[in-house]
Amino acid sequence: GENVEQHPSTLSVQEGDSAVIKCTYSDSASNYFPWYKQELGKRPQLIIDIRSNVGEKKDQRIAVTLNKTAKHFSLHITETQPEDSAVYFCAASIANTGNQFYFGTGTSLTVIP
Amino acid sequence: GAVVSQHPSWVICKSGTSVKIECRSLDFQATTMFWYRQFPKQSLMLMATSNEGSKATYEQGVEKDKFLINHASLTLSTLTVTSAHPEDSSFYICSARGGGWYIQYFGAGTRLSVL
Repeated sequence: GENVEQHPSTLSVQEGDSAVIKCTYSDSASNYFPWYKQELGKRPQLIIDIRSNVGEKKDQRIAVTLNKTAKHFSLHITETQPEDSAVYFCAASIANTGNQFYFGTGTSLTVIP
Repeated sequence: GAVVSQHPSWVICKSGTSVKIECRSLDFQATTMFWYRQFPKQSLMLMATSNEGSKATYEQGVEKDKFLINHASLTLSTLTVTSAHPEDSSFYICSARGGGWYIQYFGAGTRLSVL
């Protein structure tokens, strides 16, 4: 089955700096890659996603890049704010065949004011 | 976004009893629902996938007789932890997607404590 690795497990940045979280996946058939943000005690919320036919996607301060050949994708958060502090999970999925999400191990991001 | 409701949010039970957790899609028809287990400060581990009207598909290592899943309607799936033991204590969270959707919407989770 799919194996998703995520690094780093913890990340601290100063407010206003950028944060980068990286994930790798094992199944070359995976074609959909969502990123979820989970604040303490709350449900995971989708923040951005990318499909395999696209190399990059951006939404304001958040961007995701995908390298299909290397089987890795990254989340980039620019101009970080304290409210960005949370645990971020990447996932890989084969859409339209069950669409199961296999999650990475999570990154705890702390933005220091 | 779509709304998924999960109930109860917290349950404490005695060892040997069964506990049922409900997952409802409030404003869409959920053709597929998923059940995850999350240990403290760890990732979401997929337990099973359920499609409305059919048997759930369990991930390797998940005991189907221990974790009974029913998806009887397009808006409701239930997870029953049978004969619960302390090692079953965990955070259980469901998600749902509509037909043709890529995105999964998550419930708020259920914290199960087995004494």
